[in-house]
Amino acid sequence: NAGVTQTPKFQVLKTGQSMTLQCAQDMNHNSMYWYRQDPGMGLRLIYYSASEGTTDKGEVPNGYNVSRLNKREFSLRLESAAPSQTSVYFCASTGQGRVSGELFFGEGSRLTVL
Amino acid sequence: SQQGEEDPQALSIQEGENATMNCSYKTSINNLQWYRQNSGRGLVHLILIRSNEREKHSGRLRVTLDTSKKSSSLLITASRAADTASYFCATDAGGAQKLVFGQGTRLTINP
Repeated sequence: NAGVTQTPKFQVLKTGQSMTLQCAQDMNHNSMYWYRQDPGMGLRLIYYSASEGTTDKGEVPNGYNVSRLNKREFSLRLESAAPSQTSVYFCASTGQGRVSGELFFGEGSRLTVL
Repeated sequence: SQQGEEDPQALSIQEGENATMNCSYKTSINNLQWYRQNSGRGLVHLILIRSNEREKHSGRLRVTLDTSKKSSSLLITASRAADTASYFCATDAGGAQKLVFGQGTRLTINP
């Protein structure tokens, strides 16, 4: 049982390049999330998907797009990377429905934009 | 803006001592959660306390919630070197599907 798996773990991009962060969970969870973590800022929600087929913006969605490919997979795309997007990105999932519950996190994807 | 604010930002204690971290939030909540993050790793859920609960225990962890003061505390008793990590509180004030995290408390346990 792998839980939440993120790929890649590390990535270096040049300004303007694009890339997709992949996330998959094997816990049959309905809801999935993308957060970014910056020093001194805690975690900030980028996008979330309450259920398969739906996505919604979080606190800091600008510069990102997401796709809920199926119940297991939720990807985050940077169309034109900027240095301000240098961060550690975490995917998370929860099986709770209307009531917020425990989040299960992946190990993170460390992105550097030069 | 961050909903949860942890205090202190950093805490260093000797092994065996108790560690207390505090979290304050701004709006009404249904529940509050605490997470631990070891260096370079993802967050791990520790405990969830609902708005109608005042205190909850899990092993060496004790969490209190004071909704009138909009604050929570996490107590780790008899600390161990393995407790060295960052600890975050998170609330559902952003909505049922949007946990909002604080900036965290970095705890260091000295042997």
